Amino acid sequence: QVQLQESGPGLVKPSQTLSLTCTVSGGSISSGSYYWSWIRQPPGEGLEWIGYIYYTGSTMYNPSLKSRVTISVDTSENQFSLRLSSVTAADTAVYYCAREVRDGYNGGYFDSWGQGALVTVSS
Amino acid sequence: EIVMTQSPATLSVSPGERASLSCRASESVSTNVAWYQQMPGQAPRLLIYGASTRPTGIPARFSGSGSGTEFTLTISSLQSEDFAVYYCQQYNNWPPYTFGQGTKLEIK
Repeated sequence: QVQLQESGPGLVKPSQTLSLTCTVSGGSISSGSYYWSWIRQPPGEGLEWIGYIYYTGSTMYNPSLKSRVTISVDTSENQFSLRLSSVTAADTAVYYCAREVRDGYNGGYFDSWGQGALVTVSS
Repeated sequence: EIVMTQSPATLSVSPGERASLSCRASESVSTNVAWYQQMPGQAPRLLIYGASTRPTGIPARFSGSGSGTEFTLTISSLQSEDFAVYYCQQYNNWPPYTFGQGTKLEIK
């Protein structure tokens, strides 16, 4: 059974770059059967999809965050990473990594999630 | 961007009773809707995809229905562990994938 685990700093200063890594175990990112996403949830609020990456390096981002987001993959380490630049307090959230399953020719849903990492933006 | 609107925001139901949660899309998303359950302090858990398909391991008391713009998650006989927040998600038109704002199911 696949497991995902987020790691990275829990505190980031305003205007700096948030960086998180998701380590995948129990399955290979390179299998090609899945896409790999980042999703966030501000405290007490709902879920916001940030973007995804395929093992080839192909990405797609939420247009609302596109100018600040970079998602990358390291297949040798079975990891994928998130970088979010120029952060403000509004970026304070629990950040989840998740495995996306494609439903035919449509988009996808998320069948496996990491436990989440709280990142606080504060000076 | 497709907006998913869930109602009600909070639903109070007694254990053993039936609960129906609604999700409306701002435009048709066919049957490309998933439902998730989130317990406090935990990651969401997939309950339904394709509007009505349960993944392996999800109890049969959870069922989904709908197509187009109107969707419903039904829990046939509430157990104590079902009191949580539920989210719908559309994956028909992206980017972005979008979620509803959630329905909190609480014990009456």
